[in-house]
Amino acid sequence: EIVLTQSPGTLSLSPGGRATLSCRASQSVSSSYLAWYQQKPGQAPRLLVYGTSSRATGIPDRFSGSGSGTDFTLTISRLEPEDFAVYYCQQFGSSSYTFGQGTRLDIK
Amino acid sequence: QVQLVQSGAEVKKPGASVKVSCKASGYTFTTYFIHWLRQAPGQRFEWMGWINADNANRKYSEKFQGRVTITRDTSASTAYMELSSLRSEDTAVYYCARGPNSGCFDIWGQGTLVTVSS
Repeated sequence: EIVLTQSPGTLSLSPGGRATLSCRASQSVSSSYLAWYQQKPGQAPRLLVYGTSSRATGIPDRFSGSGSGTDFTLTISRLEPEDFAVYYCQQFGSSSYTFGQGTRLDIK
Repeated sequence: QVQLVQSGAEVKKPGASVKVSCKASGYTFTTYFIHWLRQAPGQRFEWMGWINADNANRKYSEKFQGRVTITRDTSASTAYMELSSLRSEDTAVYYCARGPNSGCFDIWGQGTLVTVSS
């Protein structure tokens, strides 16, 4: 099973700032099968990015994904108040799906 | 709009079974897989399995093999997840999610809290 490790655990930034979230895999992940989600308290996750860099329907262009192999990044430019939430990376490989432990993005 | 609506919260005793439903609307039910996942308190999301809503083929995570059964009713556009031999560690929010071919989950149900307690 591929283990995904996200860093940092918590990121404290101000609105208008830029967030860089990291997701590192224990072995190589196909770029076609790396996704990012946003989850707010009491809500289900929302798909932000799939295939490493493709934004899901309705996701603003301040969200962007990049990476390959074992290192992937979600960047949120120009943070809006509604962006403060928990973010998860997720991969599909070897007929199984695994998630990172999450990065909490807090308002500074 | 495209949505998945799950059944309500459940409280079960250890050793019992629980069955959670997931009703799809806003799209053709048989053109996507439905996955089931869970999020236990303080734990990572865990993928439990999927069902091909068209032909009912299924695949389960090794962790839940033998305890989980995923079914679907195309006439009701509804998928079901039954988990048996419940233990306290199964206390979690259970989600259904739609799975396109891109290995991700693009639409999620609202979640169903299952509490296992004596």
